[in-house]
Amino acid sequence: GDSVTQMEGPVTLSEEAFLTINCTYTATGYPSLFWYVQYPGEGLQLLLKATKADDKGSNKGFEATYRKETTSFHLEKGSVQVSDSAVYFCALNFGNEKLTFGTGTRLTIIP
Amino acid sequence: GAVVSQHPSWVICKSGTSVKIECRSLDFQATTMFWYRQFPKQSLMLMATSNEGSKATYEQGVEKDKFLINHASLTLSTLTVTSAHPEDSSFYICSAKPFSGTDTQYFGPGTRLTVL
Repeated sequence: GDSVTQMEGPVTLSEEAFLTINCTYTATGYPSLFWYVQYPGEGLQLLLKATKADDKGSNKGFEATYRKETTSFHLEKGSVQVSDSAVYFCALNFGNEKLTFGTGTRLTIIP
Repeated sequence: GAVVSQHPSWVICKSGTSVKIECRSLDFQATTMFWYRQFPKQSLMLMATSNEGSKATYEQGVEKDKFLINHASLTLSTLTVTSAHPEDSSFYICSAKPFSGTDTQYFGPGTRLTVL
């Protein structure tokens, strides 16, 4: 079945550091790919998405590129802030609305 | 906009009792709502999909008689854990998909259930 594998956390970085959170997927076909973020005490929010190969999703300084050849959708940000501390989830679906999530990666940014 | 609330945010109950969790879309109408379960350090696992006015569709392995889902209106879905046992302790999260046709789901903050 379809699955998403995320880099295990927790990840701790200093403010202004470069961030990469790896995400790879296994699926039959070409799913849409998503990154969701969950801030403390809040629900998951869509951070960015890409619906086809080579698409780049971006939002709030975060970027991820849909790489079909490596079945990956790694999340990157050039300079993280304390306010980026949250749990990040990679996910996929095929437009039937059922989302398959990775395990989540907790990110902590220290000043 | 697009806020989803859940109530309660946490609940503790005795084994054998039933617990109802509410999921509300506060500022939009949701044709479809989803219920997920999350174990510590694990993925969100979809339990069921509910459409307003019709029976919920349960994922394989989810007992429909144990996890009763009702989607009586376009802004409210409820999940009732019947005859709860300690193994039902978990974090339950709902999401809602607006009637407007967007493919984006909006998530509630979750409900932590502890069964003693």
